[in-house]
Amino acid sequence: DVKVTQSSRYLVKRTGEKVFLECVQDMDHENMFWYRQDPGLGLRLIYFSYDVKMKEKGDIPEGYSVSREKKERFSLILESASTNQTSMYLCASSRATTTDTQYFGPGTRLTVL
Amino acid sequence: AQSVTQPDIHITVSEGASLELRCNYSYGATPYLFWYVQSPGQGLQLLLKYFSGDTLVQGIKGFEAEFKRSQSSFNLRKPSVHWSDAAEYFCAVKGISGGYNKLIFGAGTRLAVHP
Repeated sequence: DVKVTQSSRYLVKRTGEKVFLECVQDMDHENMFWYRQDPGLGLRLIYFSYDVKMKEKGDIPEGYSVSREKKERFSLILESASTNQTSMYLCASSRATTTDTQYFGPGTRLTVL
Repeated sequence: AQSVTQPDIHITVSEGASLELRCNYSYGATPYLFWYVQSPGQGLQLLLKYFSGDTLVQGIKGFEAEFKRSQSSFNLRKPSVHWSDAAEYFCAVKGISGGYNKLIFGAGTRLAVHP
C-alpha cells in the first residue's frame, strides 16, 4: 500500500514563527502536492512538485514556500506564520502519469495564535 | 475554467437508506473524475475513479458512481448506508493548468447517518 506520512497531526504556533510541515511518501512517486483544507472551500492547492528540486505554484501560494531535496520528501514552509494560515494541511503524492491517483497523508491541523 | 460543484453541504440519512451525493463539473475535454472520502481527523481515501469506458463505476465500501456527460455529472450512490459511512465526501476532476495535471475539488458534502 502507498503510504504518505506527515510529521505532525497537530501543531500550535505563534504569529511570526517559521513553520515547517514535512511529508514523506514511500512509493517512489514523482509528483507531490500540498493542499490546504478549510470548511466550505474544499481542498485548495498550495504548491506541487513534479521532480526533485522542481516546484510549481498552485492556486494559493502566497505566504508559503516549499522544498524538495529528495524524491520522497516534500516540505511546506510558512516563513512567518499568520492567524489566517490556521487550517488543515494535506500532503499527497502520485505518479507522473495523467490517469494516476493522488494518495493523501493524514493531515496536519495547524493553529496559529 | 475547470470547476466542481457539490450542491449539498450537509446530508442526513437513516442507516439502511439509500444515498446519492451530487457532483457537477465544468471541464472542456473528457474529464477524469474522482470521489474521495474523509473520515473525521483523517486524510482522504479514494472511493472510485472514472477515466473512460463504462460510465457506471464501482468503488470500495459498496459505493458506485455514474458519469453522465450530457448532464456534466458524476453522482455517488450507495444502496444501503451504514453508520460507518458518516464522513465528508469530495468530488474532484483532474484538469490541466499551466501545462500540469492537477485535481480540482468540490467543497465537499458532509454525511450524517442516523441509527
